[in-house]
Amino acid sequence: DAGVIQSPRHEVTEMGQEVTLRCKPISGHDYLFWYRQTMMRGLELLIYFNNNVPIDDSGMPEDRFSAKMPNASFSTLKIQPSEPRDSAVYFCASSLGGANVLTFGAGSRLTVL
Amino acid sequence: AQSVTQPDIHITVSEGASLELRCNYSYGATPYLFWYVQSPGQGLQLLLKYFSGDTLVQGIKGFEAEFKRSQSSFNLRKPSVHWSDAAEYFCAVGASSGNTPLVFGKGTRLSVIA
Repeated sequence: DAGVIQSPRHEVTEMGQEVTLRCKPISGHDYLFWYRQTMMRGLELLIYFNNNVPIDDSGMPEDRFSAKMPNASFSTLKIQPSEPRDSAVYFCASSLGGANVLTFGAGSRLTVL
Repeated sequence: AQSVTQPDIHITVSEGASLELRCNYSYGATPYLFWYVQSPGQGLQLLLKYFSGDTLVQGIKGFEAEFKRSQSSFNLRKPSVHWSDAAEYFCAVGASSGNTPLVFGKGTRLSVIA
């Protein structure tokens, strides 16, 4: 398996633009997580899914953030409109059978100017 | 509420020296405990985990960790550090049921000097 695949790896955009980050989890994994990492706040859980259903989105900072998982092999995290304070590395992770042993993707580094 | 404390933000050790990274957790039941490592520009990789049984667990890359229930600690150790071990290390705690997400500490950055 190729592991958790995230795209794009780097994104530079201007304030106000829409940003879409993509994630392909490991085949067969039934949990998917979106995390955000910044120097100030460390690793924050934004939202997670179980069997494609959002379970907890309490970590999503604002209504500008949304996430979907239309099928077991694909998820998106969208920010609209983006702001400079959204600049961070966004990680997707997946796991099998429980929210414990996570496999992380390489991350998407977002810079909002 | 679950929480994880990694008291050391940054540690510098000499290559070949021993290493211990501290982790303390707060959890209401029997925890599942993890150490992840993040190399620059990469995602987090699982180093080792503790679910039950022997309180000294072995992981990849020569790392080990010891679960001490009385101290609510799960410290990571390595007897001889290599320059390639320079990275960020995260401790995490989770529920044995697996039905709640992991809680991560803020990480300890390890620098290795010659």
